Amino acid sequence: ETGVTQTPRHLVMGMTNKKSLKCEQHLGHNAMYWYKQSAKKPLELMFVYSLEERVENNSVPSRFSPECPNSSHLFLHLHTLQPEDSALYLCASSHSGTGESYEQYFGPGTRLTVT
Amino acid sequence: AQKITQTQPGMFVQEKEAVTLDCTYDTSDQSYGLFWYKQPSSGEMIFLIYQGSYDEQNATEGRYSLNFQKARKSANLVISASQLGDSAMYFCAMREGGSYIPTFGRGTSLIVHP
Repeated sequence: ETGVTQTPRHLVMGMTNKKSLKCEQHLGHNAMYWYKQSAKKPLELMFVYSLEERVENNSVPSRFSPECPNSSHLFLHLHTLQPEDSALYLCASSHSGTGESYEQYFGPGTRLTVT
Repeated sequence: AQKITQTQPGMFVQEKEAVTLDCTYDTSDQSYGLFWYKQPSSGEMIFLIYQGSYDEQNATEGRYSLNFQKARKSANLVISASQLGDSAMYFCAMREGGSYIPTFGRGTSLIVHP
């Protein structure tokens, strides 16, 4: 596997379910990100993990819980979601320095539908 | 104030013509980086091009070039010889000097007509 992979690619879940999204990067990066992309809304940064810190958007509801067991893997645990949480969830990775371009590499996304 | 502004929600271009997608940014940092990403309908965001604030020359990558006008705080993406496969959303992003985390604009939808 190369680049950034995400599983599952599509997920339909009820409001009472618990599920997890998985992201894995094979690029040797030390920062990983979760983004939410809803129709007609800006890309929303949810969480960032790097060697130095965890950054979270304070507006993200607690029903989203990230986990980063190592620099290559990132999870987003979902529980008791709402229909408005239906969106494309994108994982990305990058280096965490500031001296170079350090562009982000994205996974293909998980398209989540909450029924 | 928005850090990244993309004023064109949608753009149309004829195949083989050039198109410019606008991006203006707002920062007080002297050191920053500007990025463009492409997002096809499949969903994956693809990195296209990068311009550092200290780079004196405009960045180019194949058919993509970045028209960097520092004084005007603009970083427009120019796509030459448009192809049907260029139809996608295009996002401008900025990383400010003190952070590795970029801020994204709202995106511009580009449709290339045959």
